[in-house]
Amino acid sequence: RKEVEQDPGPFNVPEGATVAFNCTYSNSASQSFFWYRQDCRKEPKLLMSVYSSGNEDGRFTAQLNRASQYISLLIRDSKLSDSATYLCVVTLWGSTLGRLYFGRGTQLTVWP
Amino acid sequence: DAGVIQSPRHEVTEMGQEVTLRCKPISGHNSLFWYRQTMMRGLELLIYFNNNVPIDDSGMPEDRFSAKMPNASFSTLKIQPSEPRDSAVYFCASSSGTSGGPSYEQYFGPGTRLTVT
Repeated sequence: RKEVEQDPGPFNVPEGATVAFNCTYSNSASQSFFWYRQDCRKEPKLLMSVYSSGNEDGRFTAQLNRASQYISLLIRDSKLSDSATYLCVVTLWGSTLGRLYFGRGTQLTVWP
Repeated sequence: DAGVIQSPRHEVTEMGQEVTLRCKPISGHNSLFWYRQTMMRGLELLIYFNNNVPIDDSGMPEDRFSAKMPNASFSTLKIQPSEPRDSAVYFCASSSGTSGGPSYEQYFGPGTRLTVT
């Protein structure tokens, strides 16, 4: 069983729409949580960390539900430039040296 | 500042040939990770190093794969002999630790797109 599961999509939404992605993680000892973004034929890059209390960065809101072991990412007022694959990432408690566990990603396409 | 540098960016080779992928991590970073990405399996961790020492190579598919990190500024991933199923994008990433623990932000290189025919 993979550490992180995501709906692969694709999600196709018009500009201005609100879209939400969820991911679930299997290990209750998961410690830290992130969303990475990967543009087509590019490398993954950190989008934002996910904190227990939830956090916002402009149009992006990330939330964590430890009891249900899921993480969400909400994008408001979608832009064409938001089209990418969004990777859910966790670390495990006691996992040293910065190892990350990646989901397979959710593909988003924003159309004009 | 230069990011993670990988070479070559593209490699096309015939089955049975040896392939060597190269990575230069960000200066000062002490952890280095090799990943493989395919449509079918997503992003898979192959091996990672800390302070040039291999920590976990359980993701290396088989003995045909080997990785080295002879110094803090250079790492190689070698496939010998290569097979068509090795075709994928191979990413190298690096991260830095602090006295308080590891940094979980990994900086990825642009990747090497490998095609084995």
